Parts: sequence; C-alpha cells; structure tokens
Amino acid sequence: NAGVTQTPKFRVLKTGQSMTLLCAQDMNHEYMYWYRQDPGMGLRLIHYSVGEGTTAKGEVPDGYNVSRLKKQNFLLGLESAAPSQTSVYFCASNPQLRGSRNEQFFGPGTRLTVL
Amino acid sequence: AQTVTQSQPEMSVQEAETVTLSCTYDTSESDYYLFWYKQPPSRQMILVIRQEAYKQQNATENRFSVNFQKAAKSFSLKISDSQLGDAAMYFCAYRRYSGGGADGLTFGKGTHLIIQP
Repeated sequence: NAGVTQTPKFRVLKTGQSMTLLCAQDMNHEYMYWYRQDPGMGLRLIHYSVGEGTTAKGEVPDGYNVSRLKKQNFLLGLESAAPSQTSVYFCASNPQLRGSRNEQFFGPGTRLTVL
Repeated sequence: AQTVTQSQPEMSVQEAETVTLSCTYDTSESDYYLFWYKQPPSRQMILVIRQEAYKQQNATENRFSVNFQKAAKSFSLKISDSQLGDAAMYFCAYRRYSGGGADGLTFGKGTHLIIQP
C-alpha cells in the first residue's frame, strides 16, 4: 500500500492563479481531510469528506473548494490564490471514527508558496 | 468550539533522560479522543499515542506514556530514555466522539523537542 499520497510536493503560484492539489489513498478509507499548517499555528482543518460525493467545511474553508468524486481521491482547489494561502497542506484519511482503527493517516504534505 | 493548548513552545532534554510535554484542552463533551503526533523535519505526521476519554487507564506505547487527567482536562506525554530520533515537533490533538466525530482533529500549536547528546 502506498498509503496517502499528495500531488504535487511543491508549488509556487502567482497571486490570482488557480491550482488543484490531489490527495489519493489506497486503503479504502471513508473519511478524508485537508489541513493547512502555518508556522506557529499547528494544523487547521480546511474541508473534510465523510464519503464519496460528500464534502463539508472545516475551521478555515474560505478561498478553497473541494471535491470527492471517487472514494480514493480528495481534491483541494484554489480558484484565485492569495499570499495568505502560502502554507503546507496535509491530506489525511481515517478508516473508522471509533474503535481500534480510529487513527488518521497523513500524506507527506504539499508546500505551496503564493507570490 | 474545542481548543487545545500546548504551553511549551520548546523543550530540551539530555539523551537517555525523561521529558514530559504538556497539553490542556477545553471541551464541553464527555467522550472524546486525544492524540499525540510527532512531526520530524521530514514533515511526516506520525501517530505516537492515543487515549480514549472513557478509559481511565493511561495509554502506553513502549517508551511513550500519557498522564490523562480528565477532570483537569490535561493530557501530558512522557518520553522515557530519550533518543536522538525523538527530536521533532510534537502536537497534541483532540477529536470529539459525539456526532460521529467526523469533523477532524483540533491541534495544539506544538512543542519543539530538542535532544541534547
């Protein structure tokens, strides 16, 4: 199993450009998440999904959109990038929310810089 | 909303000694999960230990153990026999149990752990 993978690993954008971050998991997990990590801030939840075709807003959703057309993929889109979106983005997935398999598995992160 | 506070931005310990990282949280829920994650310079988030709030017994994983004080809303991590490979950022995280708890983890700001050889 590759676990949780993220594409790309690094990206530099200019203000106003758009892009999509791809998260893929091969563990058949129902629950998927996008977080951002800023210096001194820990990780904050952007959006999440409880299954194929569903999405919901997290703590800091403004400026982002998501889609989960397939169970294994969770896409994070920036329609018009702003310097405030410079961050490291992490995708995560959960097999279960309760019991012994209640654990989030994280991808390696994507470092995004918006100039 | 839940909050997680890690009051120690940085901690330093001699190799082979014991160190304790502090975490407090605020919630109105009675059932929830607490986690400690390790983030080395590689940036990968690695689960260190997990505690269910309904369990009174403190979780342990080899050299890692927690001191869970539910009434005080405190969840500290003890690392025994510290090793150079333990150097990393450590994040405390909370997830509620009610409503399925699908709405992700709430993280503290992290503690940077330095291991002195």
